[in-house]
Amino acid sequence: DGGITQSPKYLFRKEGQNVTLSCEQNLNHDAMYWYRQDPGQGLRLIYYSQIVNDFQKGDIAEGYSVSREKKESFPLTVTSAQKNPTAFYLCASSIVSGGNEQFFGPGTRLTVL
Amino acid sequence: GENVEQHPSTLSVQEGDSAVIKCTYSDSASNYFPWYKQELGKGPQLIIDIRSNVGEKKDQRIAVTLNKTAKHFSLHITETQPEDSAVYFCAAKGNRDDKIIFGKGTRLHILP
Repeated sequence: DGGITQSPKYLFRKEGQNVTLSCEQNLNHDAMYWYRQDPGQGLRLIYYSQIVNDFQKGDIAEGYSVSREKKESFPLTVTSAQKNPTAFYLCASSIVSGGNEQFFGPGTRLTVL
Repeated sequence: GENVEQHPSTLSVQEGDSAVIKCTYSDSASNYFPWYKQELGKGPQLIIDIRSNVGEKKDQRIAVTLNKTAKHFSLHITETQPEDSAVYFCAAKGNRDDKIIFGKGTRLHILP
């Protein structure tokens, strides 16, 4: 059963702690993306990766970091430098660059207390 | 860079009526325009997309139209049903990079 998974679905952390969100896909997709969703804001791109061991900043990369050591995995770390980390985080993947459909995971809701 | 505006932010229609959501984009080089549906607590799912070499595309009750000259595109849902209630996002993508730019979403309510 192919797809893209994110874990956990809900995550709570204390202010000042780093936290890593997991994203795994078994679709054999080259490109992977992280978005942040806030009410009334739509989806904003944090980071994306077109190939293993390479990634680019999106529109709101400050306070976040990523790695792409394996094709199927693209974890996102929300650092203590992110001033307003409470949000719904969505991971997506696509076959290659160039207008192909992005498939989204179910999302992780992060709440920082 | 690309900017996508989406209207309205909220839309209520009677079950069985049609719903129309409109988007405009700024980058004339954009060539791919997907529409996503997001149900509560879930990730968005692609429902229809259109490329810049096509003016209209239809899939059962859903259709999308594209006007490249005016740089706007629209989603049309006919014979709306309760399960159409969701948030809908339009998006645009150009040739230059891998980024898809999303509109802010439209919350569609289907009234019984």
